[in-house]
Amino acid sequence: EAGVAQSPRYKIIEKRQSVAFWCNPISGHATLYWYQQILGQGPKLLIQFQNNGVVDDSQLPKDRFSAERLKGVDSTLKIQPAKLEDSAVYLCASSLGRDRTYEQYFGPGTRLTVT
Amino acid sequence: DAKTTQPPSMDCAEGRAANLPCNHSTISGNEYVYWYRQIHSQGPQYIIHGLKNNETNEMASLIITEDRKSSTLILPHATLRDTAVYYCIVRGNNDMRFGAGTRLTVKP
Repeated sequence: EAGVAQSPRYKIIEKRQSVAFWCNPISGHATLYWYQQILGQGPKLLIQFQNNGVVDDSQLPKDRFSAERLKGVDSTLKIQPAKLEDSAVYLCASSLGRDRTYEQYFGPGTRLTVT
Repeated sequence: DAKTTQPPSMDCAEGRAANLPCNHSTISGNEYVYWYRQIHSQGPQYIIHGLKNNETNEMASLIITEDRKSSTLILPHATLRDTAVYYCIVRGNNDMRFGAGTRLTVKP
């Protein structure tokens, strides 16, 4: 079974530029998550999708971050404009459903460096 | 969701059992205990989860105390590849909140 795919793996941009990350979840997984992991910390949830609808974006800085999952499969996370403090690893995860009994499976992440 | 407390770091000798503790004294009846690990430069990897019974799979065993206020993840025969940060998470609502975890170093 293929895992969660993410691209690119690494990205370096200057502050005030824009960047987009892509995620392809495990086939059949209805729920998709985006996390931000700052160096030395655990991952922090940014947004959660159930199929193509947003169910939780309370931690997403909506003035600069946006995400979509238009067809209920792939998802993109965008930052515009980027700030220095956005330097982090952006992780995508998927699960069969939202219930607490379903484990989440993570992709390898995209390491973003903002200079 | 209940908060968890884990030691920041632990060492273990290769081939020995690694026992990673986690305190979750404010856990409520419908909250699950989840364990993930993160090897350097990789995404978190699911290990195991449980509600109140002990659980075992091909990776590890999870021992939850009867009062459910603490748990222990057991890696029965640690190898160098088990060196990672291990996260204990109490999950009540649908999302997961990661703490700082325990950095386990397996030594030859």
